[in-house]
This record gives sequence, structure tokens and C-alpha cells, in this order.
Amino acid sequence: DADVTQTPRNRITKTGKRIMLECSQTKGHDRMYWYRQDPGLGLRLIYYSFDVKDINKGEISDGYSVSRQAQAKFSLSLESAIPNQTALYFCATSDRQGYGYTFGSGTRLTVV
Amino acid sequence: AQSVTQLDSQVPVFEEAPVELRCNYSSSVSVYLFWYVQYPNQGLQLLLKYLSGSTLVKGINGFEAEFNKSQTSFHLRKPSVHISDTAEYFCAVRLNFGNEKLTFGTGTRLTIIP
Repeated sequence: DADVTQTPRNRITKTGKRIMLECSQTKGHDRMYWYRQDPGLGLRLIYYSFDVKDINKGEISDGYSVSRQAQAKFSLSLESAIPNQTALYFCATSDRQGYGYTFGSGTRLTVV
Repeated sequence: AQSVTQLDSQVPVFEEAPVELRCNYSSSVSVYLFWYVQYPNQGLQLLLKYLSGSTLVKGINGFEAEFNKSQTSFHLRKPSVHISDTAEYFCAVRLNFGNEKLTFGTGTRLTIIP
């Protein structure tokens, strides 16, 4: 099994719908992150969590929310999806030193 | 705040030729530096990292990078590329203290020409 599992792998949704992307990890890491990848823009940080009771906004958090249900689970929600949220979304984990991140395989989200 | 600039968005290289992917960073304090690779339809994998010590860092798949503090660069090199090196490569930086997060560059797409 993968160290970081993201579900679903692909999703097409309509404008205005609520959608949740899920992430679970078996690394035992405290720190989890959600990034968004767009062509030519690289990866941009949406939200991050350093432990179960810690949630922080990243550089592009507007229109998104997160939930850290357990050490191993970190979900990203789009409350009302819009077309410019069409992107590839990655979850990642790191240990407390943050020397290297482990990424999931990504969720490709299309908002129509 | 720190930032990363990858100077080339696309680099085509003939198979078995050498390659250099350029990365420059900006920070007023010391940093850690990373290179990640993303193969088609996959997540990112760590290629190598510079934390401290020797400025020449060796990674997986024959890649290496050199940290140059005076030029604020961390260029990635491979002496002879293969078709399997076709991927997107991301440089990333974080401050070397505190609870800091990785900041990624915009990526360089490496295409190997047979």
C-alpha cells in the first residue's frame, strides 16, 4: 500500500457543488499538507497541519477548508466549487524536521 | 520570505547527453534546498536535498546538485540522461529553522529526445 493515499484519483464536478478530497497516510507523521498544482505555476500551499489540533492557512486558502480527523487523515473541502479550482491536488506528509515530504499520487479535479 | 526561481520551463536534451536544470533561490537567512521529480501521472518524489555540509549533493538515479551560496543557486545535473528521465523537476526551499514549509519553483519539464 502507498504511504500516502488520496481519494478519489479523478473527479468531475459541477459549479456550486461541495466536494471533499481525502488523504490518509501510514508514515506516522504529524505534519500534513495540501498543495494545488497548475501548469506553469508549480505547487502552491493551500492548508497545512502540524498536528491534530493545529490547522493553518497557506498562500491560497480562499474557497477551501480542511479537517484533520486523526493523525493519519487530512481532508480538503471545496464548499462551492468554481471552474478556476480545476487543478491537480496533492496531499503530503513530513516528519517534525520537515526535511523531506512524501506525496500522494494526486487528485485530478475538474469543475465544469 | 523565501522564493525559488526555475529559469527554464522546458529543457529538451538528446539521450545520453548531459543536462543541467537551473534553480536560484532568494532568502535573507539560511535555507534547506530540495529537488523533486514528478513522472507522468504520479506524485512528487524526493531526488536529493541539501541540509548542510558538502555543497555537492548526490541523489537517486544518477542526479547531483551543487549548492552555491554566493550565487544563491542549486542547479541539478546529470552527466548522461536516459529516456526514463523524462519528467517534471521541481526545486524547493525552506528556511532552516522553525516550523517552515516548502516553497516550490514553477517546475522544469525535461524531455529526452531519442
